[in-house]
Amino acid sequence: GENVEQHPSTLSVQEGDSAVIKCTYSDSASNYFPWYKQELGKGPQLIIDIRSNVGEKKDQRIAVTLNKTAKHFSLHITETQPEDSAVYFCPRNDYKLSFGAGTTVTVRA
Amino acid sequence: NAGVTQTPKFQVLKTGQSMTLQCAQDMNHNSMYWYRQDPGMGLRLIYYSASEGTTDKGEVPNGYNVSRLNKREFSLRLESAAPSQTSVYFCASSEVSRVFSNQPQHFGDGTRLSIL
Repeated sequence: GENVEQHPSTLSVQEGDSAVIKCTYSDSASNYFPWYKQELGKGPQLIIDIRSNVGEKKDQRIAVTLNKTAKHFSLHITETQPEDSAVYFCPRNDYKLSFGAGTTVTVRA
Repeated sequence: NAGVTQTPKFQVLKTGQSMTLQCAQDMNHNSMYWYRQDPGMGLRLIYYSASEGTTDKGEVPNGYNVSRLNKREFSLRLESAAPSQTSVYFCASSEVSRVFSNQPQHFGDGTRLSIL
C-alpha cells in the first residue's frame, strides 16, 4: 500500500517568513496530491491540491510543487501570517492508513 | 450551503452507555467517512461508505457500528462506550465513490466525546 512520510512534524516561523512542508510517497502510480489545513477546534479543510500532470500550482500565498521523479510534493506558504498557524496534512492515498499526525505550524508575531 | 453537519458537538458519557453520532451532508456526495482524532495520532478511519447502501471497515472499526441511512446521512454508533473511545470524531464526505484518493474530502467540525 501507499506510504507517505511528512516532514517536519513541527515548524515555527517568524511572521512574514516562508514555510515549507514536504511529503514523500512510495507508490509511483499516485496521481493526486492534496494538502489539508486544520485550525484549532475545526475539521480539516482542503487548501490546495495537485494532479500528476501538473508540476506546480499556486493560490495566493500558498503553492504546491510536485516532483514525480523523486516522489515528493511540498506545500509552500509565503509571507506567513498568524492565521496560518494550524496543523497541515498530506493524507495517504490508501484510505486504510488515513491521515498521519501532520505538521504543526506556529507563526510567531 | 451547510456542507457537513455533525451533531452533537460535545457529549459526555459513562462507561457502558450507548450513543449515536449523527452526520449529514448537503453536497449530494456519494461517499461518507467517519474518523477519530487523538493527540499525536492524526486522523484514523473508523468506517466508510462508498455509496448509499454500502459500508466498510477502516483502520480502527472495533467498538463501532455505522448506518448509511440515505445518501445524505451516515451515523456512527457506540454500543457500549469505553474510556478508550474518548476522542474527537469527524465525519467527511466526497464526491467520487470508486476512487477514494482522487477527490477532496469535506469535513464537519467534529464531535468531542468524553467517556468517564
